[in-house]
Amino acid sequence: NAGVMQNPRHLVRRRGQEARLRCSPMKGHSHVYWYRQLPEEGLKFMVYLQKENIIDESGMPKERFSAEFPKEGPSILRIQQVVRGDSAAYFCASSPAGRPYEQYFGPGTRLTVT
Amino acid sequence: TQLLEQSPQFLSIQEGENLTVYCNSSSVFSSLQWYRQEPGEGPVLLVTVVTGGEVKKLKRLTFQFGDARKDSSLHITAAQPGDTGLYLCAPEDSAGGTSYGKLTFGQGTILTVHP
Repeated sequence: NAGVMQNPRHLVRRRGQEARLRCSPMKGHSHVYWYRQLPEEGLKFMVYLQKENIIDESGMPKERFSAEFPKEGPSILRIQQVVRGDSAAYFCASSPAGRPYEQYFGPGTRLTVT
Repeated sequence: TQLLEQSPQFLSIQEGENLTVYCNSSSVFSSLQWYRQEPGEGPVLLVTVVTGGEVKKLKRLTFQFGDARKDSSLHITAAQPGDTGLYLCAPEDSAGGTSYGKLTFGQGTILTVHP
C-alpha cells in the first residue's frame, strides 16, 4: 500500500512567483491535512480538507495561500507571490475515515524562495 | 490553543541504555499521537492513544497515556543507534469535544543514541 506521496520534493522559486505543491493521500484515505515546518520551529497545522471541501483552514495565512482537494486528482497547496518567509518544509498527511487523528505523513516538499 | 511541553529537549545516551521522554499539557486530550522524524523526512506515526491510563507497547517502545489524558510518556528500553531521531507528541485539538484531526505538535525531543 503506497504511502502519502508529495511532489516535488524540492522546489525553488524567486520572490513573486507561484508555488504549487501536490499531495496524493494513501489509498482509501479521504482526509487530507497540510502542515508547515519553518526552520527551527515545530510543525504547524494549516488546513484540513475532504474531497471538494475545506473543513478547517484556521491555520492558513489569510492572503496568498489556498488549498484544494478536487474530486479527481491530488490535493494542491498553492502559494501566490511567494516571499522569503514562505521558505519552509510543507507536509501533507492523510487519515482514514472515522479516525482523523491517525495521520500518516508524506516526505514533504522543501520550498526555497530566493 | 493548548500549551504543549516536551522534555527533555535533547537527550544523548549510549547504546543499551533506557530512556523516557515526556509530553505535558494543561489541556485534556481526546487522543495523542507519537511520531518519529528523521532529518529531511516526514514524521512517521508510532502510536495513537485515546484512553486515559492506556499503555501500548511497540517492541522496545512503551507508550503511556496519563489517567487524566493531559500527559503522555514514551519509554525506550535498550536504546539502539537506529532509535536516533526527533520524537514528537501530537495531541488532537478537540475543541468542543469533536474529533476532526487538527494536531498540535510539540517541539520534540532530539534523541541521539551512540554506538
